[in-house]
Amino acid sequence: ETGVTQSPTHLIKTRGQQVTLRCSSQSGHNTVSWYQQALGQGPQFIFQYYREEENGRGNFPPRFSGLQFPNYSSELNVNALELDDSALYLCASNLAGYGELFFGEGSRLTVL
Amino acid sequence: AQSVTQPDIHITVSEGASLELRCNYSYGATPYLFWYVQSPGQGLQLLLKYFSGDTLVQGIKGFEAEFKRSQSSFNLRKPSVHWSDAAEYFCAVVLARGYGNKLVFGAGTILRVKS
Repeated sequence: ETGVTQSPTHLIKTRGQQVTLRCSSQSGHNTVSWYQQALGQGPQFIFQYYREEENGRGNFPPRFSGLQFPNYSSELNVNALELDDSALYLCASNLAGYGELFFGEGSRLTVL
Repeated sequence: AQSVTQPDIHITVSEGASLELRCNYSYGATPYLFWYVQSPGQGLQLLLKYFSGDTLVQGIKGFEAEFKRSQSSFNLRKPSVHWSDAAEYFCAVVLARGYGNKLVFGAGTILRVKS
């Protein structure tokens, strides 16, 4: 059984640029969530996708957007990057409802 | 709004000693509560969860947690800590009923184990 995989693992961008992070969900999972973990803080919920539709969003501006594909993989896009966007971005998948979240190892984004 | 407080940023215990990590939550209804562990450079791994029923919950790696509604707490315990338990621990509560597994996390407690 393949777990949640994320790419890239590390990347560096400059302010104003755009970034796309990718996530492959665990086999059989139809729900994907994205979290932002700034240094020294707990993860914060960005949004969740269920069957290709956004299913809830945290307190993040519209320049954070996402997609879920028919195979349940997902992308997180961030436009107009700001220094404060530097963080570890975690993807998690689960079966719809309250099934256990399985997390990937994250993509660490540094914005200079 | 739902919130989770982990009062201890760092805790250091000796190998073999007992451990208790504190977690307090603010939530209007009966909460769904979780403890996760994160090793450096790793994602989050679920240790245990509480939905309902028995207030003492057993998890993986010898961890347990007790839900105390009167104190709004969900403290994590382990009777004997191993050096491999050194990691960061996060308490979390589900955001709201009907929101599936959307979690609000505490700021985390870093556990150091000394030999």
